[in-house]
Amino acid sequence: RKEVEQDPGPFNVPEGATVAFNCTYSNSASQSFFWYRQDCRKEPKLLMSVYSSGNEDGRFTAQLNRASQYISLLIRDSKLSDSATYLCVVIPSGGSYIPTFGRGTSLIVHP
Amino acid sequence: NAGVTQTPKFQVLKTGQSMTLQCAQDMNHEYMSWYRQDPGMGLRLIHYSVGAGITDQGEVPNGYNVSRSTTEDFPLRLLSAAPSQTSVYFCASSYSADQPQHFGDGTRLSIL
Repeated sequence: RKEVEQDPGPFNVPEGATVAFNCTYSNSASQSFFWYRQDCRKEPKLLMSVYSSGNEDGRFTAQLNRASQYISLLIRDSKLSDSATYLCVVIPSGGSYIPTFGRGTSLIVHP
Repeated sequence: NAGVTQTPKFQVLKTGQSMTLQCAQDMNHEYMSWYRQDPGMGLRLIHYSVGAGITDQGEVPNGYNVSRSTTEDFPLRLLSAAPSQTSVYFCASSYSADQPQHFGDGTRLSIL
């Protein structure tokens, strides 16, 4: 089983739709979680951190489920500009601190 | 706001050549890392550093060397380029290993 898994998609949704992505991780000792956005041929950019209690930033909501070992990203009222690949990142505790990136989920928002 | 600066942005090499990819950050970040990104493979960690004078191997270190003589700079050296090293290379930095990383623009490297 890969350490961090994401559905590659693509998720093809109309403008205004709500879409959710999940990211599962295998290391139960993981302590830090993030979502990044990557546009085609560009560098990944931090979208938001994921906190244990869940957190929201405008149209984006991130949640962590430690029991089932997954994080999620919810995008409400999708915009054309949300089209990108969304990467989850998991960082373990215990000293290694080597981030593991998922392979990304592709989102296409169409008019 | 320079952030993380990578040079060059594009490079074509012949098999067997060596070169250094430069990475510099001006945020006083302790943690720096190099990734390669290939289609369908996601980001794979090559080498990382938790501070000046300290480096360690990541997931795919073979064929690459790094050094960290200063906090700001973290160059990646290809010792003898091979076609399998054709990829997009990203340098990233963060305050500490458990914090989110800031990425450079990337270097697109082709080995013929």
